[in-house]
Amino acid sequence: ETGVTQSPTHLIKTRGQQVTLRCSSQSGHNTVSWYQQALGQGPQFIFQYYREEENGRGNFPPRFSGLQFPNYSSELNVNALELDDSALYLCASSPPLAGGFNEQFFGPGTRLTVL
Amino acid sequence: QQQVKQSPQSLIVQKGGISIINCAYENTAFDYFPWYQQFPGKGPALLIAIRPDVSEKKEGRFTISFNKSAKQFSLHIMDSQPGDSATYFCAASKGGYQKVTFGIGTKLQVIP
Repeated sequence: ETGVTQSPTHLIKTRGQQVTLRCSSQSGHNTVSWYQQALGQGPQFIFQYYREEENGRGNFPPRFSGLQFPNYSSELNVNALELDDSALYLCASSPPLAGGFNEQFFGPGTRLTVL
Repeated sequence: QQQVKQSPQSLIVQKGGISIINCAYENTAFDYFPWYQQFPGKGPALLIAIRPDVSEKKEGRFTISFNKSAKQFSLHIMDSQPGDSATYFCAASKGGYQKVTFGIGTKLQVIP
């Protein structure tokens, strides 16, 4: 069984640019969540996608947007990059609710550096 | 607003000792409390999780203790090993497909 995969592994961008990060969910999982993890901090929830619709959003501006595709893979897009966007971006997929709780499985992340 | 408070932020334990990490939450609507383990350069991995209808859950050397009235829960790692050296995150969420709120993390170092 293949776990959650993310691409690219590392990315360097300059301020003002746009970036797209990709995530393939684990087989059988239908929900994808994205998190931002700054250095030395816990992951912060960006948003979640279920059945190709955004299903919950954290305290992030609209320049953070996403998509979920029919195969449950997902993209995170960030426009007008700022220096503070430098972080590890994590994707997590969840299976259909097991006992009613959101069991999340994380990918290895994409390290984004904004210069 | 930090909805899940975690302490300590760093912990050094000798091999064979017990590692204890504590968390407190504010939102009484939380009803799922997972712990994640993260190694450098990797994503968090689910370690163990508990629901508030039980006070303790044990899986191997890892035990979660849960105190609903105090809104606190803790992770105990028995017989700590150098391979347990990692960052541990407590987390909480409501039922269903709700966001998971993480603590700040505890960097554990187990020394021989």
